[in-house]
Amino acid sequence: DAGITQSPRHKVTETGTPVTLRCHQTENHRYMYWYRQDPGHGLRLIHYSYGVKDTDKGEVSDGYSVSRSKTEDFLLTLESATSSQTSVYFCAISRGGRANTEAFFGQGTRLTVV
Amino acid sequence: GQQVMQIPQYQHVQEGEDFTTYCNSSTTLSNIQWYKQRPGGHPVFLIQLVKSGEVKKQKRLTFQFGEAKKNSSLHITATQTTDVGTYFCAGVGGADGLTFGKGTHLIIQP
Repeated sequence: DAGITQSPRHKVTETGTPVTLRCHQTENHRYMYWYRQDPGHGLRLIHYSYGVKDTDKGEVSDGYSVSRSKTEDFLLTLESATSSQTSVYFCAISRGGRANTEAFFGQGTRLTVV
Repeated sequence: GQQVMQIPQYQHVQEGEDFTTYCNSSTTLSNIQWYKQRPGGHPVFLIQLVKSGEVKKQKRLTFQFGEAKKNSSLHITATQTTDVGTYFCAGVGGADGLTFGKGTHLIIQP
């Protein structure tokens, strides 16, 4: 699906530890997004990127940071994981070359913070 | 900020019955998108509506965008077991990034 790979697919980590999730795309899309999905909340935007080293905050950015040093990679970091960050994380790209055109999602990363 | 409300949260139907989910935005949208997520899967893009009053069809699925561009609906005719999943609307207001509704879980009883 649009050449998007998320890693790892599953992770269990302890409270207070740093965690980095990776999103890799092979189609050179400009816009990349990180969402989290929780029961009863749907999908909520954490951060997005509109180019190399160009990122901005979304609706639920507290406790998260991102980096994009290459077009193909968008990293999401939890500096000190908390139980409230247990969630399924989805990376997405906008295929139309502009923001907010149809989004294509990766397979997701299920993160459990214990 | 922009809010997108979606109802109902859950819908149980008998196979062959129709299904409708509704989406309402607190602000005028430039466009609205619909996604389907199968259990355990990732959201998959279905369609985008841009014009006021637009209606689009995909086989048994009919999508509508309201005249004021603040509401939308997805209607499935004669549901099949393959329609099971969660249907999300996603609004595009101004800032980058989609604002998703919380989704409608479609449960189909054979």
